[in-house]
Amino acid sequence: KNEVEQSPQNLTAQEGEFITINCSYSVGISALHWLQQHPGGGIVSLFMLSSGKKKHGRLIATINIQEKHSSLHITASHPRDSAVYICAVVYSGGGADGLTFGKGTHLIIQP
Amino acid sequence: DTAVSQTPKYLVTQMGNDKSIKCEQNLGHDTMYWYKQDSKKFLKIMFSYNNKELIINETVPNRFSPKSPDKAHLNLHINSLELGDSAVYFCASKRLSGNTIYFGEGSWLTVV
Repeated sequence: KNEVEQSPQNLTAQEGEFITINCSYSVGISALHWLQQHPGGGIVSLFMLSSGKKKHGRLIATINIQEKHSSLHITASHPRDSAVYICAVVYSGGGADGLTFGKGTHLIIQP
Repeated sequence: DTAVSQTPKYLVTQMGNDKSIKCEQNLGHDTMYWYKQDSKKFLKIMFSYNNKELIINETVPNRFSPKSPDKAHLNLHINSLELGDSAVYFCASKRLSGNTIYFGEGSWLTVV
């Protein structure tokens, strides 16, 4: 069964803390996405990874293809980072080539 | 200008009705998608479509049908609405070989 597991499910931290959200998947993928969904509901794509590491501002995403694992890091976290972060993969092989999603990590950054 | 736009944003309708949600992208993308986010906030692919092929998630009831009048539009038609169809529906698009996927703002459907 193709599954995407995220941890933690919920995370509350203080402003300034270093945040790590983890994602693991079960079978081969062609790409992995990190998405951000704000309380208003809109979804924004943060990163697309197929290998290695990417950085954008205070956000860093890494992927280890052999271990089928990815992490999203937020440095110097801020209350505006509060959102749901969703890991999603594109599986290698047939079927709908859309994303298969994890259940999301609900992040709250307190001032 | 909104890259991926959906209408309506909110829709309340009675069971048994037929409704449509429209999606337009002005990014020149080849591929468009419909996703459903259920009450537990879990997202799931419904359809992917490019100008050559429609791929349907086998779990989607055949009451749901995507229709693409042109490359920039992918509308979602739902027949005989049921209570369980209440959800947020997201349209998205990307280039066939592209990295970034762009989402619409979502359409909140409530079936009463």
